[in-house]
Amino acid sequence: DIQMTQSPSSVSASVGDRVTITCRASEDITRHSTWYQHKPGKPPKVLIYAASVLESGVPSRFSGSGSGTYFTLTINGLQPDDFATYYCQQAHTFPLTFGGGTTVEIK
Amino acid sequence: EVKLVESGGGLIQPGRSLRLSCAASGLTVSTSYMTWLRQAPGKGLEWLSIIYASGRTYYADSVKGRFIISRDNSKNTVYLQMNSLRADDSAVYYCADYGAYNGKLDPWGQGTLVTVSS
Repeated sequence: DIQMTQSPSSVSASVGDRVTITCRASEDITRHSTWYQHKPGKPPKVLIYAASVLESGVPSRFSGSGSGTYFTLTINGLQPDDFATYYCQQAHTFPLTFGGGTTVEIK
Repeated sequence: EVKLVESGGGLIQPGRSLRLSCAASGLTVSTSYMTWLRQAPGKGLEWLSIIYASGRTYYADSVKGRFIISRDNSKNTVYLQMNSLRADDSAVYYCADYGAYNGKLDPWGQGTLVTVSS
């Protein structure tokens, strides 16, 4: 199985900050990565797919980059609505696997 | 609008069986790649199973041999039959549509809670 190692596991940040979350795959997944935002009591929401494609309706402050084994999710100008847990996921092979999650907390 | 609604969760004793349902609207399960995932309390997301449009199925090792994914095209519904349930199967269970060309899971249902306890 492909392991997705996500870091940091949590980050404290203020409104307006830039936050970067990284995800490393245990093997080359080309650009088959997706990023989700997850809030308590709600299902996960797609932010970025195919490593860097912004999902329709997602604010442009979210961006994704990377290929191969290294991927990043960046939030430029953190907003109050962005405090949540974020997950990366690989879609290169089954089983689909997720990173351990990054909780973005209010500083 | 595509909508997925899970049902069938609840409190169940260890060793018993439970069947979850995922009713779809706005998409046709027989031509989609439908998946089940879960999130245990305090844990991350875990993919469990997929049923292809062709009917082919795949399972995570953690549930292989215990869980069975299926669908009823006439009801446009996907199921997850869960057998030999254990305490560590306690989780919120989600169904989601898997995009085979873009790799994204979207949309997701709201989830149904399964608690395995005596």
